[in-house]
Amino acid sequence: QSVLTQPPSASGTPGQRVTISCSGSSSNIGSNTVNWYQQLPGTAPKLLIYSNNKRPSGVPDRFSGSKSGTSASLAISGLQSEDEADYYCAAWDDSLNGGVFGGGTKLTVL
Amino acid sequence: EVQLVDSGGGLVQPGGSLRLSCAASGFTFSNYAMSWVRQAPGKGLEWVSAISDSGVGTYYADSVKGRFTISRDNSKNTLSLQMNSLRAEDTAIYYCAKSGVVVITLDYWGRGTLLTVSS
Repeated sequence: QSVLTQPPSASGTPGQRVTISCSGSSSNIGSNTVNWYQQLPGTAPKLLIYSNNKRPSGVPDRFSGSKSGTSASLAISGLQSEDEADYYCAAWDDSLNGGVFGGGTKLTVL
Repeated sequence: EVQLVDSGGGLVQPGGSLRLSCAASGFTFSNYAMSWVRQAPGKGLEWVSAISDSGVGTYYADSVKGRFTISRDNSKNTLSLQMNSLRAEDTAIYYCAKSGVVVITLDYWGRGTLLTVSS
């Protein structure tokens, strides 16, 4: 059971907008910033969003993040086939004094 | 170009020990915290441990506390993870990762090294 809760799966058709939620608590998302990672099949994870809503250089602006209270969301607009991957949210947890990940969401592009 | 090359994985018997290493290049290693993250076969990501830029601060997941020790050698740009009392549930790909603005912002990752704990 992950400390951060994500839906196990999500799907959309090319061109659609998809959102993935991440629910936490006051000790993690409620008091710290959220990061999102993308993991393509057979590869290492890649930082997609940091500090709730910032994109590292090279990440398309189709990807956006938001946070409200103890929840966060990742939105992908203009869905493309290459977006098919696993997506993870992560945050620092002050109570655990460590990092925590969500269980991951497998995104399927239909 | 930032590069992280993790190594040291292999097959170990339950109760055994192993040391993972991560060779870093392309950035000022001593300026950044570093972490280990693992992924069991077919499962999600699990944060394992982190160490501050100086090495003074260390942090562990409850699942490995007391068994794993993270360390770094800033003179050799190397991160290590000493793993003792290994269990079957420690079987995973272990990734080393560089921290960015905060510890859990992992902006660069190694390719991972596979640890299998089995008799």
